[in-house]
Amino acid sequence: ETGVTQTPRHLVMGMTNKKSLKCEQHLGHNAMYWYKQSAKKPLELMFVYSLEERVENNSVPSRFSPECPNSSHLFLHLHTLQPEDSALYLCASSQEQPGVLTGELFFGEGSRLTVL
Amino acid sequence: GQQVMQIPQYQHVQEGEDFTTYCNSSTTLSNIQWYKQRPGGHPVFLIQLVKSGEVKKQKRLTFQFGEAKKNSSLHITATQTTDVGTYFCAAFNAGGTSYGKLTFGQGTILTVHP
Repeated sequence: ETGVTQTPRHLVMGMTNKKSLKCEQHLGHNAMYWYKQSAKKPLELMFVYSLEERVENNSVPSRFSPECPNSSHLFLHLHTLQPEDSALYLCASSQEQPGVLTGELFFGEGSRLTVL
Repeated sequence: GQQVMQIPQYQHVQEGEDFTTYCNSSTTLSNIQWYKQRPGGHPVFLIQLVKSGEVKKQKRLTFQFGEAKKNSSLHITATQTTDVGTYFCAAFNAGGTSYGKLTFGQGTILTVHP
């Protein structure tokens, strides 16, 4: 149990489908993240939310749309994805203090996405 | 953007042998973190190094941060089969902002043969 829960754990979707990934953190953290993990590539930061405000969008295609309704929940809405978007999508949270680098990330177990 | 190079990409060892992975950056780092990801699992935070030349130990694991804060290493003494997994370094650029804008290395995949 990591304190960060992701659902679904596995998702198979066609290129025309719309689906969403969900993340919930039970750690009381004030920042949440989406990362993409592809084979043989470093972890890629996609989005960062701090206090429910998006503070980072790492040039992610618009077919990925994040939503952070409150500090405990984070969604990644998926629409018209491509096969190359197949990957493990990891949610993480951290407790950030203004002016102090912390950034210890607590990851969820990930959602394994396959786009057909 | 900042790049963090991690070597080797793969390491196969016999149980009981030592293992080291290295992380290098062309720019000065504010701090560096290390994570471990077991096969089929998710990254788990191991440690954070902040000071130049810092050395920290966790049982058989020794973490070092270079004097120039441009490189780091993780050394495992007498590996065990439970050490299997991918080890990632992740770093903040000096002068960067917070909010977890870490740059991850590509990871070193460690396999341990019993």
